[in-house]
Amino acid sequence: DADVTQTPRNRITKTGKRIMLECSQTKGHDRMYWYRQDPGLGLRLIYYSFDVKDINKGEISDGYSVSRQAQAKFSLSLESAIPNQTALYFCATSKKSVNQPQHFGDGTRLSIL
Amino acid sequence: GENVEQHPSTLSVQEGDSAVIKCTYSDSASNYFPWYKQELGKRPQLIIDIRSNVGEKKDQRIAVTLNKTAKHFSLHITETQPEDSAVYFCAASRDSGGSNYKLTFGKGTLLTVNP
Repeated sequence: DADVTQTPRNRITKTGKRIMLECSQTKGHDRMYWYRQDPGLGLRLIYYSFDVKDINKGEISDGYSVSRQAQAKFSLSLESAIPNQTALYFCATSKKSVNQPQHFGDGTRLSIL
Repeated sequence: GENVEQHPSTLSVQEGDSAVIKCTYSDSASNYFPWYKQELGKRPQLIIDIRSNVGEKKDQRIAVTLNKTAKHFSLHITETQPEDSAVYFCAASRDSGGSNYKLTFGKGTLLTVNP
């Protein structure tokens, strides 16, 4: 089945380290998104991309960067990780058409010590 | 930008009862309202969505209603079962056909169905 795959699933690292979270999809969708989930805060949008050359900041982009290497790949980087970036990170995809649902990956649980 | 408020944050019901979760949104141009279910340790999954040209949509035991005038929409689950226990998220978005499409999520409702 077509899916959204995130790697790694879990990561523990130290403050100041550079971290990359990767997302790949076989759904053939044009749009890709990165969200952060914290308890009681829901899902908050970090970055989104409508195609390889179209990348946009979401509501909480500070401290993060992204790269859309191909239509199927969208990576999230933390250049210098800090403890308050400890969270569950989700990648999602959607079709390009109007009002399409988003499909999520299994998430990456990131802990920064 | 869009702001979505979701209530209640927790909801406990007995098996067989109905559950209702309500959301309000601030952007009158929002025209797409999906609901996601997230079981413990799993990814959010779409369970139902509604577009602004309809007032109600049903799918077996779940239904969503939309009141555009009041800017609120609700999820209704009837005959609840233990497997309905999860966190439910509402969301809203607008799509002008350009680059504005993005979902704003509510903070979630933890639904517990007691056997």
